[in-house]
Amino acid sequence: DILMTQSPSTLSASVGDRVTITCRASQSFVRFLAWYQQKPGKAPKLLISQVSTLESGVPSRFSGSESGTEFTLTISSLQPDDFATYYCQQYYNYPLTFGAGTRVEIK
Amino acid sequence: QVQLVQSGAELKEPGASVRISCKASGNIFSDFIIHWLRQAPGERPEWMGWINVGLQSTYYAHDLRGRFTISADTSANTVYMELTTLKSEETAIFFCANEKGGRFDYWGQGTLVTVSS
Repeated sequence: DILMTQSPSTLSASVGDRVTITCRASQSFVRFLAWYQQKPGKAPKLLISQVSTLESGVPSRFSGSESGTEFTLTISSLQPDDFATYYCQQYYNYPLTFGAGTRVEIK
Repeated sequence: QVQLVQSGAELKEPGASVRISCKASGNIFSDFIIHWLRQAPGERPEWMGWINVGLQSTYYAHDLRGRFTISADTSANTVYMELTTLKSEETAIFFCANEKGGRFDYWGQGTLVTVSS
């Protein structure tokens, strides 16, 4: 199984801050990495797929990148609606696996 | 637009089985590949398996095989999951989700399954 190690587990930030969340994979794979946003009591929402492709309707302040087995989600200027938990997911092979999540909270 | 609507919350005793439905709309039903995932309180989503509705083929997570079944009723545009021999630590929200190339672009609203005596 591919283990996705996500950090930090919690992040305190203010509106307007630049925020970076990282996922490291236990083995290398090519571009099959997605990011989701989840708010309490709701299903996850797909933000980014193929490492860096924004889904339709997702604000451009969200971006994704990779460097080897490390994947990064960046929010360039945090907005009030962005306080949530974020998960990475690899879909390179089965079982499909998620990172443990990063909770972005108000500082 | 794809919509997935799940059945309501369930309370089950340990050892019991649970069956959850996921009604799909917004696409040709036979074109759907529907996955099931679960999320225990405060935990990450855990992938459980999928069904290719058109091919009526399924694939399950290794550690659930033998206890987990996904099926589809084409006359009702509905996918079902059944998990047997429930354990108390399996209390979770169960989600169905539409696959888009390995990731999940549409999700059901979730179904809370509480396993408790």
